[in-house]
Amino acid sequence: DQQVKQNSPSLSVQEGRISILNCDYTNSMFDYFLWYKKYPAEGPTFLISISSIKDKNEDGRFTVFLNKSAKHLSLHIVPSQPGDSAVYFCAASAGTSYGKLTFGQGTILTVHP
Amino acid sequence: DADVTQTPRNRITKTGKRIMLECSQTKGHDRMYWYRQDPGLGLRLIYYSFDVKDINKGEISDGYSVSRQAQAKFSLSLESAIPNQTALYFCATSLAGGRNEQFFGPGTRLTVL
Repeated sequence: DQQVKQNSPSLSVQEGRISILNCDYTNSMFDYFLWYKKYPAEGPTFLISISSIKDKNEDGRFTVFLNKSAKHLSLHIVPSQPGDSAVYFCAASAGTSYGKLTFGQGTILTVHP
Repeated sequence: DADVTQTPRNRITKTGKRIMLECSQTKGHDRMYWYRQDPGLGLRLIYYSFDVKDINKGEISDGYSVSRQAQAKFSLSLESAIPNQTALYFCATSLAGGRNEQFFGPGTRLTVL
């Protein structure tokens, strides 16, 4: 039972355009969400997070939007750069889970020059 | 630079062999985690430890065991490796308390023949 789903295995965008990565979840106990970025031969690195008390969090070119009623979050990257090409994982945690994260399957983003 | 290291980085072994993957961290974090990554499945939690005397099973602990030798060291063992344990394994750490970011090691690629 996949509680966090990233339904797009891959996404290809042109440099300078917007990249939108999507994530859906089923567990209504999740109240904190994170995005991680992973380059080949490296471990995932934290990118941005959002608490369920917010619907938007912004950090430079990266913005995460949360729609609790739809159990959906998205990561917007504007403008996209070739160095953003990586695998992006969304993850979620519940208040009672004491730091345990549930990850989605990942989306491979390719940004073309 | 405070870091999370994993050894070995690559390992090929045969069915039935006992394998140990090691993780060390210099971040001073109390919490440590072991994940495996499989194509199309994202990262799944195997075991986690919130301090030296606290070890907990994750969602896929069958066939694995762990040892927390010290605050800085967390080892994952496959008692009798099988081919479907072929995967990329990641160790992660985080500070205790709250919704703290997890820091990942570079991963160990394990192949069981």
